[in-house]
Amino acid sequence: DTGVSQDPRHKITKRGQNVTFRCDPISEHNRLYWYRQTLGQGPEFLTYFQNEAQLEKSRLLSDRFSAERPKGSFSTLEIQRTEQGDSAMYLCASSPPDRKIDGYTFGSGTRLTVV
Amino acid sequence: DQQVKQNSPSLSVQEGRISILNCDYTNSMFDYFLWYKKYPAEGPTFLISISSIKDKNEDGRFTVFLNKSAKHLSLHIVPSQPGDSAVYFCAARAEKLTFGTGTRLTIIP
Repeated sequence: DTGVSQDPRHKITKRGQNVTFRCDPISEHNRLYWYRQTLGQGPEFLTYFQNEAQLEKSRLLSDRFSAERPKGSFSTLEIQRTEQGDSAMYLCASSPPDRKIDGYTFGSGTRLTVV
Repeated sequence: DQQVKQNSPSLSVQEGRISILNCDYTNSMFDYFLWYKKYPAEGPTFLISISSIKDKNEDGRFTVFLNKSAKHLSLHIVPSQPGDSAVYFCAARAEKLTFGTGTRLTIIP
């Protein structure tokens, strides 16, 4: 297992377009998290899944954002009608069932630029 | 409502000296506190953690101290090395991880 994988690494899109990002967690991890990081800020929580169930969504996750984890494995994060304020690094993380504290593993992120 | 705060955006330390990074929190429900290191264009990498029932955890050059009464934790790196130059995030766990805004540490050779 090579860790948490995110695709694409970079995405440039025009304002108003839809974009979708994919995250493949570590295979035995049942929890999957999405975070967003903007310049000068720490990662901000967006949403998380336990298996296929979406358990919590941040107020940051507007109606234009939707996340899925249909089979409890990979997850997708879609942003509809992108705005310049959506430009950020989108990070995915996963954690194991035993919630071992050093098991939270982050991917390298998808950098979104909205022009 | 920022539950985890890092009030120093940047810190410069001479190589070989001690680096001390600070973090404050407000939520008493956090059960673990973590430090992550982040390089540009990479995701955060786990460094060290401490349980809320402990006051110190040490791993090689890295030591984390927790003062629950003050709701304050700190990361000590000694001796500091040039490879330690990165952004350090403090994080706290309840159901999910909540992060501070980060401190950019620069080690001067």
